Amino acid sequence: GAVVSQHPSRVICKSGTSVKIECRSLDFQATTMFWYRQFPKQSLMLMATSNEGSKATYEQGVEKDKFLINHASLTLSTLTVTSAHPEDSSFYICSARPHTYNEQFFGPGTRLTVL
Amino acid sequence: GEDVEQSLFLSVREGDSSVINCTYTDSSSTYLYWYKQEPGAGLQLLTYIFSNMDMKQDQRLTVLLNKKDKHLSLRIADTQTGDSAIYFCAESNRYSGGGADGLTFGKGTHLIIQP
Repeated sequence: GAVVSQHPSRVICKSGTSVKIECRSLDFQATTMFWYRQFPKQSLMLMATSNEGSKATYEQGVEKDKFLINHASLTLSTLTVTSAHPEDSSFYICSARPHTYNEQFFGPGTRLTVL
Repeated sequence: GEDVEQSLFLSVREGDSSVINCTYTDSSSTYLYWYKQEPGAGLQLLTYIFSNMDMKQDQRLTVLLNKKDKHLSLRIADTQTGDSAIYFCAESNRYSGGGADGLTFGKGTHLIIQP
């Protein structure tokens, strides 16, 4: 149980295009989903917290107009990287948490490469 | 801001115990976690501990928490080759809506097993 999927697993795009990444909880309802970013040989950095049906809360330094987050249902959250640039290339990881749980369940991540 | 520190590498002989250490700065941390990341795989939660506990044991894993010194350790008994991975220490506070908040991660410790 507690499986989280991400799609796509890898994406390569041209500079200036937008890319959407999906995060799904497959066997539980996730009232809260989190989006993280991991640079090579670095730690995961929390980007934003999204609650179903409400606006996402972004961490300091993360541009909300650049990284659009939608959490329209209890099993799906999407992250759209708008007008992507090479510096946005990274590993994006989502996690999902059932209501009041202390545990987060992580997706396998999406490798974004912007040319 | 919050900070979580870990040493980057640990090398142990197969069959010995591994002890991975972590320090954190946020005195209001409520939950402290250990995650395992194998190559090409997502983050796997190994165990977590509440800040009001000082020890938790789960089969080969023992977590020790020194809240006064803000020091967390993970001991893996009888280390096997399958334990080779990156181990992340993470902390979070209690989310206002219930459950745990987004995580602050350390950079991860590469556990290397020698035959």
